[in-house]
Amino acid sequence: AQSVTQPDIHITVSEGASLELRCNYSYGATPYLFWYVQSPGQGLQLLLKYFSGDTLVQGIKGFEAEFKRSQSSFNLRKPSVHWSDAAEYFCAVGARQAGTALIFGKGTTLSVSS
Amino acid sequence: KAGVTQTPRYLIKTRGQQVTLSCSPISGHRSVSWYQQTPGQGLQFLFEYFSETQRNKGNFPGRFSGRQFSNSRSEMNVSTLELGDSALYLCASSPAGGPPYQETQYFGPGTRLLVL
Repeated sequence: AQSVTQPDIHITVSEGASLELRCNYSYGATPYLFWYVQSPGQGLQLLLKYFSGDTLVQGIKGFEAEFKRSQSSFNLRKPSVHWSDAAEYFCAVGARQAGTALIFGKGTTLSVSS
Repeated sequence: KAGVTQTPRYLIKTRGQQVTLSCSPISGHRSVSWYQQTPGQGLQFLFEYFSETQRNKGNFPGRFSGRQFSNSRSEMNVSTLELGDSALYLCASSPAGGPPYQETQYFGPGTRLLVL
């Protein structure tokens, strides 16, 4: 069965520092990969997605992610974090066997310190 | 375009009652999915509707049901509420123009249900 692992439950980063959130997936073929962000009391907003092609994808708000097939990873990065980036981040997989469902990781909560 | 809207935003019910949540997708989107979000289990897929038909279903008991209307609006119903049903229920819509697992889903703000 497909699964998504986000190893870090909570990360604290200083404002202006770089950020990397880890995501590993388990799936036999190339999955469709997504990163979503959820601010307190809000729904999920799509940051970026990977379907095929260039393994480095750019998203909104200055985020990027790199798909590494050999490591089954899709890590999210940002070169300089802003206080407004504090939120919960979810990695998700879309796979043929899952139909239309997205399989989500448990999420990583990002805190930004000044 | 207006985003996905969900009503009500907050709801308090007691055990044994039933509840109906509503979701209006983005105009032109034909697929609506429902997810349950809890601190313990995270985000879990409930079901997905396309053209008034349930196309995909997650691993939830039969107390959870849904439907979709001809205008793509969707409702989900939970009967005989249990304390463990307290959660944020998120609705997501997608155009469903391509293979469903490739679709970007657009989420609403959710309905927070508290069962006492």
